[in-house]
Amino acid sequence: AQSVSQHNHHVILSEAASLELGCNYSYGGTVNLFWYVQYPGQHLQLLLKYFSGDPLVKGIKGFEAEFIKSKFSFNLRKPSVQWSDTAEYFCAVTVTGGGNKLTFGTGTQLKVEL
Amino acid sequence: GAVVSQHPSRVICKSGTSVKIECRSLDFQATTMFWYRQFPKQSLMLMATSNEGSKATYEQGVEKDKFLINHASLTLSTLTVTSAHPEDSSFYICSARFGRVPYGYTFGSGTRLTVV
Repeated sequence: AQSVSQHNHHVILSEAASLELGCNYSYGGTVNLFWYVQYPGQHLQLLLKYFSGDPLVKGIKGFEAEFIKSKFSFNLRKPSVQWSDTAEYFCAVTVTGGGNKLTFGTGTQLKVEL
Repeated sequence: GAVVSQHPSRVICKSGTSVKIECRSLDFQATTMFWYRQFPKQSLMLMATSNEGSKATYEQGVEKDKFLINHASLTLSTLTVTSAHPEDSSFYICSARFGRVPYGYTFGSGTRLTVV
């Protein structure tokens, strides 16, 4: 079964700092990768996804992620964070032909300080 | 598009009673929905996959007799927590799959269940 690891559980940044959240998955086949954000008291929202093609994916709110197949990674980045980016971030994966069930990482709680 | 509505958002029930949570797809037909449980400061754990018109598929370790799932129509799946106990207190989230392979996924706003 596939698994997803997010190594940063809690991240605290000042506004305008750059962000990179790590995500690694363990599956050797064809994967589809997602980053979701959960703002306090709200439902999960899709930030970006990778299915195929250009491994550098741009999402909403200035976020981007790079799929590096050789490293089984899909790290999330943002050049300059804002206070409103304070939220929990989840990496998730589905496996083509694997029931199309989303498997989530443990999540990273990001706090952006003014 | 692809909006899922989940109700109630919060529910408090007495130990031993049952609680039903509804998940509706508002603007699309959801043949497959998923139910997750999220513990405080932890990730979403898939409980079961709900398929319209057929029995749900439960993940290992999930009691199917406690967590009853019904997906009788293309727009509605329900999760009933039967004979609830305090340890069932949690945040339950539904999700629906949409589009074609590779699918997209949309999420309900979650239900905070507190069993007293």
